[in-house]
Amino acid sequence: GQSLEQPSEVTAVEGAIVQINCTYQTSGFYGLSWYQQHDGGAPTFLSYNALDGLEETGRFSSFLSRSDSYGYLLLQELQMKDSASYFCAVRDRGSQGNLIFGKGTKLSVKP
Amino acid sequence: GAVVSQHPSWVICKSGTSVKIECRSLDFQATTMFWYRQFPKQSLMLMATSNEGSKATYEQGVEKDKFLINHASLTLSTLTVTSAHPEDSSFYICSARKQTGQATIYGYTFGSGTRLTVV
Repeated sequence: GQSLEQPSEVTAVEGAIVQINCTYQTSGFYGLSWYQQHDGGAPTFLSYNALDGLEETGRFSSFLSRSDSYGYLLLQELQMKDSASYFCAVRDRGSQGNLIFGKGTKLSVKP
Repeated sequence: GAVVSQHPSWVICKSGTSVKIECRSLDFQATTMFWYRQFPKQSLMLMATSNEGSKATYEQGVEKDKFLINHASLTLSTLTVTSAHPEDSSFYICSARKQTGQATIYGYTFGSGTRLTVV
């Protein structure tokens, strides 16, 4: 089967940098993506890596190492509004192509 | 952009009644939509894959007679929770994938979710 592991909780202060790691086990790989979900809200797409390396989108960056089955989401210049849950996800190898999510990392940003 | 509209955003119903949740792709056609369920402080778990014009594909452990899915058009999928019970209380989220020229993971758009409370 396919599975993703990520830390359950991370705490940081405003202005800091935080890294959320994700390791995955998949049969077939179609890229690693990251989603943000605020309490009571739906997931919103943040970033996607299909190839090794770093993808930067403003304050958020995502990294992938396919040889290590590992990726991370880097959040810089943390703001209070970044407090949310962050999920890494991979696409199911089945033809339907649904996403399989990690269990999520709850980020708490403190003043 | 790709927008998915989901209604209602929240619903409270009595035990034993049925609730219908709608998921619409507003500016694109979605031959496939996905229905997820999320319990508090947990991840999103796929319930079923909805295919336009054909039967839905359910994940193991999901009762197809309890969670009825209808994908009657390229822009609308509905999930009906029949004979709801308190244990069905959860956050239900639909997702649709806009087909692009590249077979990438881009294009997964989520509805805003439906908070179902069964009392």
